[in-house]
Amino acid sequence: SAVISQKPSRDICQRGTSLTIQCQVDSQVTMMFWYRQQPGQSLTLIATANQGSEATYESGFVIDKFPISRPNLTFSTLTVSNMSPEDSSIYLCSVVSAGEYGYTFGSGTRLTVV
Amino acid sequence: AQSVAQPEDQVNVAEGNPLTVKCTYSVSGNPYLFWYVQYPNRGLQFLLKYITGDNLVKGSYGFEAEFNKSQTSFHLKKPSALVSDSALYFCAERQNSGNTPLVFGKGTRLSVIA
Repeated sequence: SAVISQKPSRDICQRGTSLTIQCQVDSQVTMMFWYRQQPGQSLTLIATANQGSEATYESGFVIDKFPISRPNLTFSTLTVSNMSPEDSSIYLCSVVSAGEYGYTFGSGTRLTVV
Repeated sequence: AQSVAQPEDQVNVAEGNPLTVKCTYSVSGNPYLFWYVQYPNRGLQFLLKYITGDNLVKGSYGFEAEFNKSQTSFHLKKPSALVSDSALYFCAERQNSGNTPLVFGKGTRLSVIA
């Protein structure tokens, strides 16, 4: 199964600033998925990132707020822009993974906006 | 649109008793179904998945799930609950084609009482 390194693991940020979250995969993958988990809630898909093309965003998420880069088949970043306290969440990346688990998830980035 | 329903926000069970966490899915055809567990301040942990084959799937930590196509259900079960099973449980599904993301249910909080 693929292994994902996600950074940072947590951060506390001032409102109005931006944070970029990185996910590095130890193998080449076609698609990477970005999720948000608000406190006490489920995982909601933000967007799907395909290398070489613009990310596809789910309803309620826009590129200006959550720009995504996918420069190659092993790496992606998600930026949370112009943050407000409502953006305080855990952000996770995920890939389809060969092997027993089917999917691999990053360990998550716990973001607190103050 | 895909949707996964977890009808119970909270399930309480006494230690040693059997537990069931319910999930129904909406994908037509052959769904890929997953169960994950999330402990406080921890990442997602894979429990089990159903893709094809036997309707009864055995997973980690003594958990199992039964795929029921006629009822479009995939309930998670364990014969004897432990206090350490107390956590947040997520059911997830994906379409049976290609490189697509998981769609998660809202989650069920399991509390096992000693």
